[in-house]
Amino acid sequence: EAQVTQNPRYLITVTGKKLTVTCSQNMNHEYMSWYRQDPGLGLRQIYYSMNVEVTDKGDVPEGYKVSRKEKRNFPLILESPSPNQTSLYFCASSFLLGSTDTQYFGPGTRLTVL
Amino acid sequence: AQTVTQSQPEMSVQEAETVTLSCTYDTSESDYYLFWYKQPPSRQMILVIRQEAYKQQNATENRFSVNFQKAAKSFSLKISDSQLGDAAMYFCAYRILTQGGSEKLVFGKGTKLTVNP
Repeated sequence: EAQVTQNPRYLITVTGKKLTVTCSQNMNHEYMSWYRQDPGLGLRQIYYSMNVEVTDKGDVPEGYKVSRKEKRNFPLILESPSPNQTSLYFCASSFLLGSTDTQYFGPGTRLTVL
Repeated sequence: AQTVTQSQPEMSVQEAETVTLSCTYDTSESDYYLFWYKQPPSRQMILVIRQEAYKQQNATENRFSVNFQKAAKSFSLKISDSQLGDAAMYFCAYRILTQGGSEKLVFGKGTKLTVNP
């Protein structure tokens, strides 16, 4: 089954404690992206990756890191989480623009930073 | 700035009736794709319908159709014969190829649709 998986689905942590949210896709997509969703703000892109070892900032990258060492995985790293990073996070993947494909989203990770 | 505006934070419709959700966008690109995503209470993002900007014909998927007005930069979603399962948050988005060859997906803030029995 074609899918994007994220782990964990729910996470409560404390300020300053490093965490990683994993994302994996099994569709051989080149493009992967992280979004955060906040009430009244829609989805905003954090980071994206065009392919292995190619990453770039989205609209709200501060406080986040990513890596793309393998095509299927795109982890989101919060080195020192703060309460303003409490949000719903989505990973997404797709083939690159030029196809009529769309982005497939993971199930989301609800993060609470106390 | 590239933006997507959904002017209706909330909408409601009676079951079996028709509702239209509005969306306008602002981009200087000529080649882009437009999407409507549905987010039910489960939080999963589900693609409802997509439209290629170079196509003049409006996309249709069963009870869902769009009214794409490229010159006006408008992309509304019409839901016919509304069902209780259509109740969700709906997001309009467009996807563009940026300078440098990367791509970007820009979302609106969403419209919460309630379906009344």
